[in-house]
This record gives sequence, C-alpha cells and structure tokens, in this order.
Amino acid sequence: KQEVTQIPAALSVPEGENLVLNCSFTDSAIYNLQWFRQDPGKGLTSLLLIQSSQREQTSGRLNASLDKSSGRSTLYIAASQPGDSATYLCALMDSSYKLIFGSGTRLLVRP
Amino acid sequence: KAGVTQTPRYLIKTRGQQVTLSCSPISGHRSVSWYQQTPGQGLQFLFEYFSETQRNKGNFPGRFSGRQFSNSRSEMNVSTLELGDSALYLCASSLGATAGGTDTQYFGPGTRLTVL
Repeated sequence: KQEVTQIPAALSVPEGENLVLNCSFTDSAIYNLQWFRQDPGKGLTSLLLIQSSQREQTSGRLNASLDKSSGRSTLYIAASQPGDSATYLCALMDSSYKLIFGSGTRLLVRP
Repeated sequence: KAGVTQTPRYLIKTRGQQVTLSCSPISGHRSVSWYQQTPGQGLQFLFEYFSETQRNKGNFPGRFSGRQFSNSRSEMNVSTLELGDSALYLCASSLGATAGGTDTQYFGPGTRLTVL
C-alpha cells in the first residue's frame, strides 16, 4: 500500500530564504507526482507535475525533483516571499487514476 | 478558461439527512475525481469518473455515491449523514489521459459540509 510522508510538518522561515520541502513514498510504481499549494479554507492549486519518466520540473521560483529509486521528491522554493505562506502537499497518481496525498507541510514566510 | 466550480460552497445539515454536491469540470475535461479532506485524515480519495463510468472507488461506505453526466458534470451524494462526514469535499477535473502521466489534476474550491 502506497504511503506518502512529508517532512517537516511545519516550517517558519524569514523572507528571502531558499527552502526545501520533502516528500517520500514507499512504492515507486507511480504515473506522476504533483505538488499542490493550499491556502486556508481553499481548494488546491497545482504547482508542478513531474511525470514518472522525468527527474525534475521548474516553474519560476519553484523546482521539483523526483527520484523514484529512493522514493523521494523535493520542492525547492527560491527567494521565499510572505505570499508563499500556505500548506504544500505532494500527491502521487497511481495506476488506478487516484491521487495519494501526503499530510502536507505548513509554510510560514515571515516578513 | 473557467476553472472547476463546485456548488454549494457551504452546507449545514443534521444527522440522518442526505446531501448532494455538484462539480462542474473545466471545459473539455472528461475525468472528475472527488476527495474528502478532514483535519484528522487529510485528503482521501472517494471516487473517479470518466465518460460517465466510475473507474475507481476509495474505501468509503456505500452511503457515499456519485455519478457523472454526459456533459462531464458530476454529483456526489451522501445519505444518512453522520457527524464524522463533516469535511471539505473537493473535486478535481482532468483530461483523463489513459496513457502516460501527463494528466494534471485541477481542483475546485470545495464544498464545506457541516453535520450537526
């Protein structure tokens, strides 16, 4: 059974700092991995999708990597801003078209 | 291009009642998935529909059901509501590509259900 773990559960950093969020999973048989952002009481916003055959994806200040052999993905946020404060979720899509989510990392970027 | 819309945004029901939630996917998307989000269990998969067929179902009791219409809009129904059904219900739409892993899931804002 696929299990997804995100560490740390919460993170507080000063504005401008570069940071890394971690996601680990137990089964490498995945279709893709997505990183989402969720603001309090809101839906999920897709940030990056990495296909199973890819190693990384970049969008603006965000870079996500995928290492299936070690069961790990990281989300790198460069030059963090207060507007980046949110909960970040990683999710794996398995062969049955469902997303399996981690419990999220709650990020606070202090001005 | 309009995003995923969900109605209603908020619902308050009492135990024993039933409720129907609606999801309109992004135009052209044929797959709709439903998820339940609670503080204790996080995000859990309910079911996924593609071209009016349920392709997959999560580990929820039979009180949770859904359907998809020919225009790809989807509804989920919860009967005999329990206090533990209080949650944010999110739907996601995608193209529903069956090959490869390119299918990005786009989520709606959710329906907040409170059961009293």
